Amino acid sequence: GENVEQHPSTLSVQEGDSAVIKCTYSDSASNYFPWYKQELGKGPQLIIDIRSNVGEKKDQRIAVTLNKTAKHFSLHITETQPEDSAVYFCAASITGNQFYFGTGTSLTVIP
Amino acid sequence: DVKVTQSSRYLVKRTGEKVFLECVQDMDHENMFWYRQDPGLGLRLIYFSYDVKMKEKGDIPEGYSVSREKKERFSLILESASTNQTSMYLCASSTRTQKTDTQYFGPGTRLTVL
Repeated sequence: GENVEQHPSTLSVQEGDSAVIKCTYSDSASNYFPWYKQELGKGPQLIIDIRSNVGEKKDQRIAVTLNKTAKHFSLHITETQPEDSAVYFCAASITGNQFYFGTGTSLTVIP
Repeated sequence: DVKVTQSSRYLVKRTGEKVFLECVQDMDHENMFWYRQDPGLGLRLIYFSYDVKMKEKGDIPEGYSVSREKKERFSLILESASTNQTSMYLCASSTRTQKTDTQYFGPGTRLTVL
């Protein structure tokens, strides 16, 4: 089955700096790649997603890039703010219904 | 807004007890999922359901069962709870009728088995 690896497991950045989280996947048939943010005591919430027919997608300070050839995708957060501190998960999906998640990245934004 | 609710935020049970975790979604979604979340392991799929009375095993179904008698409700059952089932349990739902495949998650139930 699909295997998703996520790095780094923890990340600390100064407020205003950029943060990058990277994921790789194993199954070239995967065609949907969402990113979730999980704040303390809450369930994961979708923040951005990308499909395999697109190389990059941006939503304000958040962007995701996808390299199908290398089978990796990345989350980029610019101008980080303390409220960006959370655990971020990447996921890959083949059918669109069974997701395979990365192990999560705990992001801390230092004021 | 999609709302997924879970019956308990925190639950403490004893080894051998039968445990029911309930999940309800209010958006008429066809698909519902149960995951467990453990540090360093991410989210692992236990069971999922594409329709009422349908269920499919995920990656770690051992020790669990599920029930989906109504479209909006998906229950996870631990027939005889064990300490290694102490975890955060997350329910999610999604629909196949929209362009997006987004899964919407509930707030989670933190289960402790003593």
